[in-house]
Amino acid sequence: GAVVSQHPSWVICKSGTSVKIECRSLDFQATTMFWYRQFPKQSLMLMATSNEGSKATYEQGVEKDKFLINHASLTLSTLTVTSAHPEDSSFYICSARGRDLGGETQYFGPGTRLLVL
Amino acid sequence: RKEVEQDPGPFNVPEGATVAFNCTYSNSASQSFFWYRQDCRKEPKLLMSVYSSGNEDGRFTAQLNRASQYISLLIRDSKLSDSATYLCVVNGRRGRRALTFGSGTRLQVQP
Repeated sequence: GAVVSQHPSWVICKSGTSVKIECRSLDFQATTMFWYRQFPKQSLMLMATSNEGSKATYEQGVEKDKFLINHASLTLSTLTVTSAHPEDSSFYICSARGRDLGGETQYFGPGTRLLVL
Repeated sequence: RKEVEQDPGPFNVPEGATVAFNCTYSNSASQSFFWYRQDCRKEPKLLMSVYSSGNEDGRFTAQLNRASQYISLLIRDSKLSDSATYLCVVNGRRGRRALTFGSGTRLQVQP
């Protein structure tokens, strides 16, 4: 199947700093990428959808100025958590849907664990 | 009401048992349905898509009842390696591309 990578796999940072998470599709062109967040024992919650070359569409309740998403190329999307606070600590997962993959399947990255102290 | 509802479990079953999970969804316009598997502290992985006619993949059988807005997953001959959380997933209200995840049903297969 298609491969999606995320970097870093985990990060610990101080409150108030910004953290950038990269999501890459390694063997296909991702026309659409999705960013999810998962708190312990809860389901994945969609944060935003990004299409290459256009602004991301954020879900209700997700602050676009706090969670900056850039999808500058067909293989890379980044999520920047600005001025992180302890309540932003979570498991952030990206997924990608490719132009030629067909169907509705999304391929997930391995996730990034963020801990804000 | 949640868009996708699942019994959180846990389901504790012995090896070799047959176990069934159910899921209901609220959006009657949903077109795509999936079961994903998520291991502890890992990303979800697609287990199988769910088709109206029902489909089988080895020990796994998925069924869809559109009238009742109900999806099921049957696992036969459970293996220890089947222990995981099973996520019911449908395409969401914001169009075909966005997926909505259930909170998952935890399965623990015991020796």
